[in-house]
Amino acid sequence: KAGVTQTPRYLIKTRGQQVTLSCSPISGHRSVSWYQQTPGQGLQFLFEYFSETQRNKGNFPGRFSGRQFSNSRSEMNVSTLELGDSALYLCASSLGRTTDTQYFGPGTRLTVL
Amino acid sequence: AQTVTQSQPEMSVQEAETVTLSCTYDTSESDYYLFWYKQPPSRQMILVIRQEAYKQQNATENRFSVNFQKAAKSFSLKISDSQLGDAAMYFCAYRGEYGNKLVFGAGTILRVKS
Repeated sequence: KAGVTQTPRYLIKTRGQQVTLSCSPISGHRSVSWYQQTPGQGLQFLFEYFSETQRNKGNFPGRFSGRQFSNSRSEMNVSTLELGDSALYLCASSLGRTTDTQYFGPGTRLTVL
Repeated sequence: AQTVTQSQPEMSVQEAETVTLSCTYDTSESDYYLFWYKQPPSRQMILVIRQEAYKQQNATENRFSVNFQKAAKSFSLKISDSQLGDAAMYFCAYRGEYGNKLVFGAGTILRVKS
């Protein structure tokens, strides 16, 4: 079975621009969660989508948004990019029950100049 | 809010030796899940082992085992017969009874010396 895939793997943007990252979960998985990893703040939960609905949300500003499609693929969008948004963005998928293990993708490295 | 603390920023171990990574957590929930994830230089987060809080028996996966002390809120990872491929950042993570949000510790860099 193919693992979680994320595209693009690397991205360079300038301040003020917006960006969209994509995550394709493992086949059959209905939950997708997004995390931000930075050297200063570590790994922080952004949000989780399950069956096209946001089920949980972390403490991030409204510039960070996401959505999930009927095939469980998910996108996250960051508008009005700031230098501090430079990070590794990881997505994780699971079947969706709280007993299920989350499996991570390779991440998208976003650099904001 | 739940918190996870890893007090060892960096650890070293000789190849074939045993090393223990520490993790403590704080929660008021009675049912939850604990995980150790490994992140090698490739940045791919890999699940090492998981523990359900309601299970008294410590989880084991080949050379990896945990010492889960629920009352002390402690969850350490023991790696036996360390291999060069074990070198990575190790994260302890907590997930509550509801939802899929993982709360991570700051991580421990493990170096393996040959």
